[in-house]
Amino acid sequence: DGGITQSPKYLFRKEGQNVTLSCEQNLNHDAMYWYRQDPGQGLRLIYYSQIVNDFQKGDIAEGYSVSREKKESFPLTVTSAQKNPTAFYLCASILARGSGNTIYFGEGSWLTVV
Amino acid sequence: GNSVTQMEGPVTLSEEAFLTINCTYTATGYPSLFWYVQYPGEGLQLLLKATKADDKGSNKGFEATYRKETTSFHLEKGSVQVSDSAVYFCALSERGNTGKLIFGQGTTLQVKP
Repeated sequence: DGGITQSPKYLFRKEGQNVTLSCEQNLNHDAMYWYRQDPGQGLRLIYYSQIVNDFQKGDIAEGYSVSREKKESFPLTVTSAQKNPTAFYLCASILARGSGNTIYFGEGSWLTVV
Repeated sequence: GNSVTQMEGPVTLSEEAFLTINCTYTATGYPSLFWYVQYPGEGLQLLLKATKADDKGSNKGFEATYRKETTSFHLEKGSVQVSDSAVYFCALSERGNTGKLIFGQGTTLQVKP
């Protein structure tokens, strides 16, 4: 079945370590997104990519990095520069820009930094 | 900038009660509006959407109407079930970049038998 796969589901890391969250989609979607969710809050956009080898910062990009070397993959690295990395991270994808298309979300990754 | 404001939760209802979750937005242009639902420990699922003024989105007994004059997109359901217990997010997207969503803070719904 087509969908978005995020891994790992749960991840624990020590403070000061970089960590990479995986996001893979087999929907042949053009655009991919990373959102962060904190308890009791809505989602905030970290980075997005509308085509391969190109990406743009979202509202809270500081302390994060991404790459888009393949259409189906959009990994997110949480660097040691991110001051409060503990959160729920959601990857999403959509067929193309424009209205009317539906965005699909992955199941999310819980990152806890201790 | 664009923003979305939802009523604060949690909202606690008895089964079969009527549900309203208020959502208002601020946006330039003509955004698309969405309601997403999140069950515990899971990602988001699209519940319904509306892409232009006066459109009504509906799904699984939930409805919301895009009201441009009041900049609102309130979620309603006539008779809630225990299985509707979840967090509900109102969101908007700008024309031309539907994946770039701006979310409200979410409203937790608890339905008791």
